[in-house]
Amino acid sequence: SQKIEQNSEALNIQEGKTATLTCNYTNYSPAYLQWYRQDPGRGPVFLLLIRENEKEKRKERLKVTFDTTLKQSLFHITASQPADSATYLCALTSYNTDKLIFGTGTRLQVFP
Amino acid sequence: SAVISQKPSRDICQRGTSLTIQCQVDSQVTMMFWYRQQPGQSLTLIATANQGSEATYESGFVIDKFPISRPNLTFSTLTVSNMSPEDSSIYLCSATGGLNTEAFFGQGTRLTVV
Repeated sequence: SQKIEQNSEALNIQEGKTATLTCNYTNYSPAYLQWYRQDPGRGPVFLLLIRENEKEKRKERLKVTFDTTLKQSLFHITASQPADSATYLCALTSYNTDKLIFGTGTRLQVFP
Repeated sequence: SAVISQKPSRDICQRGTSLTIQCQVDSQVTMMFWYRQQPGQSLTLIATANQGSEATYESGFVIDKFPISRPNLTFSTLTVSNMSPEDSSIYLCSATGGLNTEAFFGQGTRLTVV
């Protein structure tokens, strides 16, 4: 069956360090992979989208990599801040559909 | 971008009753979706809301339990029918502006069934 798994445990890091979150998928051939941030009591907010034929995408302090051979995406937040504390979700879509299938999510806590 | 308004934001309902959740988008969008999120869990897709036709449901979800309407490009409703405590969850509306573009989400409806 299709699975999208992220770091199962919460990730706790110190302010200023780089946070690295993983997203692994099986039995899936995504065309696109997206990362979202979700704060408590709110809906997810879009962060980055990376296409199947792209290896890396950056936006300010965020970087996403996409390895279709390993079936894995890595999401990096450099110079992390306490305001980055949230749950981060990866989501996959296939060609010819807008359906987003979400991963299990990783809760990130950045402490001063 | 699109702003999505959902209402109600929360409700407490008696078992056996039904609740209709409304989703309004401030601009025309291509696709609309409904998700369920159990506390502390990720999002599970319930169905794709199709304009002017029956929704497309994911495995494990059926029209009799979760009837969905989408009368136009910017509005959709999800009804949770004959509720039981197992239906207690957060229900989220989502919309996209085109194929494989970012998705926008409402703030969710927190439903508690007692």
